[in-house]
Amino acid sequence: RKEVEQDPGPFNVPEGATVAFNCTYSNSASQSFFWYRQDCRKEPKLLMSVYSSGNEDGRFTAQLNRASQYISLLIRDSKLSDSATYLCVVTPSNYGGSQGNLIFGKGTKLSVKP
Amino acid sequence: GAGVSQSPSNKVTEKGKDVELRCDPISGHTALYWYRQSLGQGLEFLIYFQGNSAPDKSGLPSDRFSAERTGGSVSTLTIQRTQQEDSAVYLCASSLEGRGFDRVHSPSSYEQYFGPGTRLTVT
Repeated sequence: RKEVEQDPGPFNVPEGATVAFNCTYSNSASQSFFWYRQDCRKEPKLLMSVYSSGNEDGRFTAQLNRASQYISLLIRDSKLSDSATYLCVVTPSNYGGSQGNLIFGKGTKLSVKP
Repeated sequence: GAGVSQSPSNKVTEKGKDVELRCDPISGHTALYWYRQSLGQGLEFLIYFQGNSAPDKSGLPSDRFSAERTGGSVSTLTIQRTQQEDSAVYLCASSLEGRGFDRVHSPSSYEQYFGPGTRLTVT
């Protein structure tokens, strides 16, 4: 099982739709979780951290399910500008891990159509 | 405040030449990371610097790759004898804190902020 797995998509949704992405992680000791957004040919940008109790930022809601080892991102009332690739990111469990302190998923592509 | 900056934004070089890529992290950030991303692929970790500690070089793909970070701030990534497979976008990121996650720091301390990247093309 890969350390961080995401459905690559693409998710094609109409404007105004609600869309949800899940991301699973393999190591139960992972501590911190993030969602990043990456536009085509641009750098990743932090969208939101994911806290244990779940958190919301406007149209975006992030949830963490430690028992099932997944995090989710819900986008309500999709806008054309939400079209991007959404990267799931977790911290590794071991300090001496080989990938810096964050492990990036390969991303889920979202395309919002008019 | 100023974000992470990288230079050059684009670099085209001939196979076999050496290249140097520069990263200027956010002021006050102790951790600095280099990644590369090939077209349509995920991020590949290369190297990580944390304060004055020895860098984690475990992601460097070959001994042609090296990096340094002077004075705990600016970093340069050097690729010697470039090959066509080195063509990619090289991304630098910084965070307030690095590895050694503990319960004292909030998750926000580990949030990584990326520079715009250097697009390297080896012909």
